Amino acid sequence: EAGVAQSPRYKIIEKRQSVAFWCNPISGHATLYWYQQILGQGPKLLIQFQNNGVVDDSQLPKDRFSAERLKGVDSTLKIQPAKLEDSAVYLCASSLGGHAGIIEQFFGPGTRLTVL
Amino acid sequence: AQSVAQPEDQVNVAEGNPLTVKCTYSVSGNPYLFWYVQYPNRGLQFLLKYITGDNLVKGSYGFEAEFNKSQTSFHLKKPSALVSDSALYFCAVRDGEDSNYQLIWGAGTKLIIKP
Repeated sequence: EAGVAQSPRYKIIEKRQSVAFWCNPISGHATLYWYQQILGQGPKLLIQFQNNGVVDDSQLPKDRFSAERLKGVDSTLKIQPAKLEDSAVYLCASSLGGHAGIIEQFFGPGTRLTVL
Repeated sequence: AQSVAQPEDQVNVAEGNPLTVKCTYSVSGNPYLFWYVQYPNRGLQFLLKYITGDNLVKGSYGFEAEFNKSQTSFHLKKPSALVSDSALYFCAVRDGEDSNYQLIWGAGTKLIIKP
């Protein structure tokens, strides 16, 4: 079974530039998550999709971050414009069904973003 | 409010010795508890979870964890550590009676197993 795919693996940009990350979840997984993981901290949920609908985006900085999940499969996360504090690893995860707190999540390798 | 604490930033263990990585939690309802491991330059991997039932939960790679309701703890254990167990370990919790499905994550504990 193929795992969660993410690209790019690394990205370096200057502040005020824009950047986009892509995620392909495990086939058949209805729920998709984007997390931000700052060095030395645990993951912070940015947004959760159930199929192509948003379940929770309460911690997404909507003035600069946006995300979509096309046709309930792939997803993109965009930052525009980027700030220095956005430097982090962006993790994508997926799980079966909508019971996020019960069913384990499967994570991709992450995208390490450095904002200069 | 829900919270998770991993009181040790780093744990050092000699290979072959037992290991324990500590986790305590705070939720208002029944907890759903998880352990994940993160190897360098790789994504998080699920190790084990406690939802209900036996307090001792067995997971991947020989790890187990014990749910202790009175102490609000869910410590990760392994009887004999391997060098390959060196990684970053995260505990996460969800309040089972909270309609918010979010997992609350600890800050992580770096486990170093020395040969």
